[in-house]
Amino acid sequence: EADIYQTPRYLVIGTGKKITLECSQTMGHDKMYWYQQDPGMELHLIHYSYGVNSTEKGDLSSESTVSRIRTEHFPLTLESARPSHTSQYLCASSEIRTGYNEQFFGPGTRLTVL
Amino acid sequence: SQKIEQNSEALNIQEGKTATLTCNYTNYSPAYLQWYRQDPGRGPVFLLLIRENEKEKRKERLKVTFDTTLKQSLFHITASQPADSATYLCALERYSSASKIIFGSGTRLSIRP
Repeated sequence: EADIYQTPRYLVIGTGKKITLECSQTMGHDKMYWYQQDPGMELHLIHYSYGVNSTEKGDLSSESTVSRIRTEHFPLTLESARPSHTSQYLCASSEIRTGYNEQFFGPGTRLTVL
Repeated sequence: SQKIEQNSEALNIQEGKTATLTCNYTNYSPAYLQWYRQDPGRGPVFLLLIRENEKEKRKERLKVTFDTTLKQSLFHITASQPADSATYLCALERYSSASKIIFGSGTRLSIRP
């Protein structure tokens, strides 16, 4: 079944640790995105990719980095986590069909940095 | 910069009534305006899209209107059910940044039996 997956769903770590949030999609979409969302707040785009070896920073500045070596995989890495990184991270993918950009979201990773 | 405003107050209505949610935007008119549903702890799910040259779009119990003069979209759920309780997000997309979407913070809807 075509879907988009994120692991882990929940992560609690200490300050200074390096972490990687995984995102994979089986829909063959070229475009992938990472959003950050705090409770009750809007989604903020932090990274996006138009395809393999293409990555761009989003509208919200983030200390995280991303890579896109395979179409289906778009991991996000934090080299040194801090409490200010505590948030929900949502991965999405899309394929522009008939000229519009419906986004398919994963279940999210809730990150807590102590 | 473009801003989207949705009712920050939760909307509580009786089952069976029509729920109406509002999305207002500033500055430029979007090429497309989308509505998503988000349940607690989950990612948003796409519901409906309306184009700038469309006034109204329907899908089952859902209806979306788009008024580019008022810079507003209304999202209606008719014959509401408790299962419709969720946060509903408005999102817009411009031609010039066709792969990026700006999301509102959403309106939380509660349907009481």
